[in-house]
Amino acid sequence: EAQVTQNPRYLITVTGKKLTVTCSQNMNHEYMSWYRQDPGLGLRQIYYSMNVEVTDKGDVPEGYKVSRKEKRNFPLILESPSPNQTSLYFCASSLYSGPYEQYFGPGTRLTVT
Amino acid sequence: EDQVTQSPEALRLQEGESSSLNCSYTVSGLRGLFWYRQDPGKGPEFLFTLYSAGEEKEKERLKATLTKKESFLHITAPKPEDSATYLCAVQAAGGGNKLTFGTGTQLKVEL
Repeated sequence: EAQVTQNPRYLITVTGKKLTVTCSQNMNHEYMSWYRQDPGLGLRQIYYSMNVEVTDKGDVPEGYKVSRKEKRNFPLILESPSPNQTSLYFCASSLYSGPYEQYFGPGTRLTVT
Repeated sequence: EDQVTQSPEALRLQEGESSSLNCSYTVSGLRGLFWYRQDPGKGPEFLFTLYSAGEEKEKERLKATLTKKESFLHITAPKPEDSATYLCAVQAAGGGNKLTFGTGTQLKVEL
């Protein structure tokens, strides 16, 4: 089954404790992206990747890092999480960069206390 | 700056009562306008892509239309299973393929 998977689905952590949210797609997609969803603000892009080893900032990149060492994986790293990073995170992928439909993962609900 | 505004924020319909959701946008060079459906606790699910003014697309009870300033998602004879949040997003030329989302319309269809 074609899908985008994320782990963990739920995470509660404390301020400053480094964490990684994994994202993997099995569709051989070139383009991958991370979004966060907050009430009243909608989905906002954090980082994106056009292909392996090619990443760039989205609208809200502060406090986040990403890497794209393999085509299928695009982990999101929070090196020193803060309470304002409490949010619902989605990974997405599309076949190529451009106006192609993006497939979203199931989401990771992160709480930073 | 690209902007997407959706209205209404919430909509309650009786089963079979047709209606439309609105998505107004401003973007410099539209590459595509997207409609997604999001169920509680799940990721957005793709519905349609529209590329140019005048274009229309249909899927079951849903029909999406596009003008130069807005898009409509028409729901004909909705059923309770159509209850969800409907999200509109635009992709601009040269924007790094970013989708700029609206905050959605929460639709509830009652028996």
